[in-house]
Amino acid sequence: EAGVTQFPSHSVIEKGQTVTLRCDPISGHDNLYWYRRVMGKEIKFLLHFVKESKQDESGMPNNRFLAERTGGTYSTLKVQPAELEDSGVYFCASSQVFGLTHYGYTFGSGTRLTVV
Amino acid sequence: QQPVQSPQAVILREGEDAVINCSSSKALYSVHWYRQKHGEAPVFLMILLKGGEQKGHEKISASFNEKKQQSSLYLTASQLSYSGTYFCGTEVSGGYNKLIFGAGTRLAVHP
Repeated sequence: EAGVTQFPSHSVIEKGQTVTLRCDPISGHDNLYWYRRVMGKEIKFLLHFVKESKQDESGMPNNRFLAERTGGTYSTLKVQPAELEDSGVYFCASSQVFGLTHYGYTFGSGTRLTVV
Repeated sequence: QQPVQSPQAVILREGEDAVINCSSSKALYSVHWYRQKHGEAPVFLMILLKGGEQKGHEKISASFNEKKQQSSLYLTASQLSYSGTYFCGTEVSGGYNKLIFGAGTRLAVHP
């Protein structure tokens, strides 16, 4: 089966510009997550979709970040306007839950965002 | 809320063993372990549900002590391919919940 796909793989933008990241989860996975890893630090939670609904967006840094998951399939994460501190690797992951058992996440390869 | 991993880094020779610990201040429903190689996606290794079970994956196994809210990852007879950063992810309740990841443990295995 196809894995989780993210693009672009790299993006370099200037402060104040807009960037949109895309994630295509594994087909049939209801859960989709966005995480960010800043160099050398933890993989930090941003938000969680269940199908097309935002289950938890407590990790979103501020209102410059907007995530959508239209139709419960792919998701986009838009940063507008970008700031220097937004730099990092943005990971998307998808998973399936059966009953209460949460099966492992499948991560995409990430988008490395550099804001200059 | 973030789990604490220790040690921060480990250097091994091929064939040596290592233990990586993950502790939480909250009661946990499950603990996940992932390995990330440089520039790649984190890869799922195993999940441990509350109940103190132990699981294995090749020569990598893990345990979950529910009373201490602590999980340990055991790497035995390490191979060069084990190098990478290991993350534990914790979940406080079952169902539709997110994982909170620790800061990671960097493992380097040398010939």
